[in-house]
Parts: sequence; structure tokens; C-alpha cells
Amino acid sequence: GAVVSQHPSWVICKSGTSVKIECRSLDFQATTMFWYRQFPKQSLMLMATSNEGSKATYEQGVEKDKFLINHASLTLSTLTVTSAHPEDSSFYICSAKTERVARTEAFFGQGTRLTVV
Amino acid sequence: DAKTTQPPSMDCAEGRAANLPCNHSTISGNEYVYWYRQIHSQGPQYIIHGLKNNETNEMASLIITEDRKSSTLILPHATLRDTAVYYCIARNAGNNRKLIWGLGTSLAVNP
Repeated sequence: GAVVSQHPSWVICKSGTSVKIECRSLDFQATTMFWYRQFPKQSLMLMATSNEGSKATYEQGVEKDKFLINHASLTLSTLTVTSAHPEDSSFYICSAKTERVARTEAFFGQGTRLTVV
Repeated sequence: DAKTTQPPSMDCAEGRAANLPCNHSTISGNEYVYWYRQIHSQGPQYIIHGLKNNETNEMASLIITEDRKSSTLILPHATLRDTAVYYCIARNAGNNRKLIWGLGTSLAVNP
């Protein structure tokens, strides 16, 4: 149980285009989802926290108009990188937490490798 | 959330126990210790967490000192597939509390 599926696992896009990444909780309802970015040899950096049905909370320095997050249902959150540039190339990871009080750990998707050319 | 300190890298022979230390000397009474690992180019994987008692599951054991200022993750019989970066995180268990990631320990399991 507690599987989080992220799609696509990798994507290459042209500079200036937009890319959407999906994060689904397959066997549980996730009231809270988190989006991270990870550059090579660095740790995970939290970009934003999203709660179902409400606007995402972005970390300082993350442009909300560039990284659009939608959390329309308890099993799906999407991250759209708008007008992507080569510096947006990174490993993007989502995680989800179940609403069940007994399960306090977060579960992670497989990650999406974005390359902007 | 309390800051954690881990050695940047460790080596372990295949089949032997891997003992990964973590210091969290400023941990507060309601903060849990969580362990995750990240295999190269994959998302993190939850391993185990605990508050003050030692914990064991199918993946690992977690030993927390009595004063809770440090802990050790034990992989009893390390395999090559356990090669990964291991992260120790101290965090309140509230549902919306975010995880603060350090650089972790890069564990290399050698044949």
C-alpha cells in the first residue's frame, strides 16, 4: 500500500514550452502533497506544499507563476513548469501524505527528470 | 524542527551490517526521527521512524539513545541494492509538517 505514481519519469522539452508533471496516490487519499526539486549532488529542496482544494503554499524564492500547482482531487496533483528554460532542468519529485493519523510518513513518486534544451 | 548531522559517506561490505549514525542533539520531545533513502535517480523511499523506543521492520532497525540525542539505522545484512543516500530527519509528526532534507550519508555497499 501507499504507492505514489509520478508521470512522466523523464521529459525533454524545448526552451519556452511548458511541461506538466502528474503525481497520483494510487491506493490512498492524499490531503497534502509536496513538490521538490533536486539538482545533481544536492539534497531535495521543497518547492511547494499543496492541500486538496486550496492554493499551494510556495517556499521562498519559488515563482508561483512559473511553477503552477494544481491539487484538484485527493489522488492527483500536477506541477506545470511554464516557459521552461535550461536552468529549470532538474529532477522533480512529489510526495504525498495520507490523511490517516496513524501513518505519519510521506511517500514519494519515482521522480521526473526534466531536461530543457 | 531539530537539525540533524550525518557523516557524508560510509562503506560497508556486502552481507555485513551497515550502521548509519545520526546526531540530533536539539531534538524536542514531540519530534520523531525519520529515515529515508534515495537510490540514484529515484524518489526517496521511507524506511522507518521512531520517537523514543527502538523500532524494527522488514527493512531495518532504528536504535534511539535514551537521551534521544542520537540514533543509528541498522541494515542487518547489507546488499548491493542498499547502496543509496540515507537521510535522517527529525520532525514533528503533524500532517502538514514538511521534511527538511540535509545531504544525508552516501552508503556504498561493496561486493
